[in-house]
Amino acid sequence: QLQLQESGSGLVKPSETLSLTCAVSGGSISSIAYTWNWIRQPPGKGLQWIGHTHHSGSTVYDPSFRSRVAISIDRSKNQFSLNLTSVTAADSAVYYCVRGQRAVFDGNWFDPWGQGTLVTVSS
Amino acid sequence: SYVLSQPPTVSVAPGQTAKITCGGNNIGGKSVHWYQQKPGQAPVVVVYDDSDRPSGIPERFSGSNFGNTATLTISRVEDGDEADYYCQVWDTTNDRVVFGGGTKLTVL
Repeated sequence: QLQLQESGSGLVKPSETLSLTCAVSGGSISSIAYTWNWIRQPPGKGLQWIGHTHHSGSTVYDPSFRSRVAISIDRSKNQFSLNLTSVTAADSAVYYCVRGQRAVFDGNWFDPWGQGTLVTVSS
Repeated sequence: SYVLSQPPTVSVAPGQTAKITCGGNNIGGKSVHWYQQKPGQAPVVVVYDDSDRPSGIPERFSGSNFGNTATLTISRVEDGDEADYYCQVWDTTNDRVVFGGGTKLTVL
């Protein structure tokens, strides 16, 4: 059974870079069938997709993050990572790493999800 | 950009049927997926590709999608179904994932 586990700093200062890693176990991140996604949820609010990477290392980002986000994959460690630069308080959220599976028409659906990690942006 | 609209709240008595809608322009031409999120937990997919259920999800959960509205139907609602529910699609024009704002299902 595939499992995903986020790790990284839970407290980041404004203007600095948020860095998280997602360790994948129970399956290979090199599978061509899936995407590897980051999704966040500010406290008390809804879900927001940040972007994804493929086994090849190619990436797709939400336009609202494109100028300050990077998602990378490390097949040797079976993990992928998120870097978000120039953070503000608005970036405080629970960050989830999630596997994407191809939908019938277009895009992906998401399963499974990591447990999520809370990142707070504060000085 | 593509927008999905969900009612903020839906209330239903135990044993009754809950219908949660997700509105979007010609959403019937897209694949719609539904997630259940209980407090303090990560979301879990309950329906994908409009009407398919992952293994382990009860048959009480079903989905439909036509025209401008997709619907998640929960039959014989139980106390344990109380949660937030989110719909999700892919916005092909802008190459991005779109989530609805979420619906809080309250079991009376």
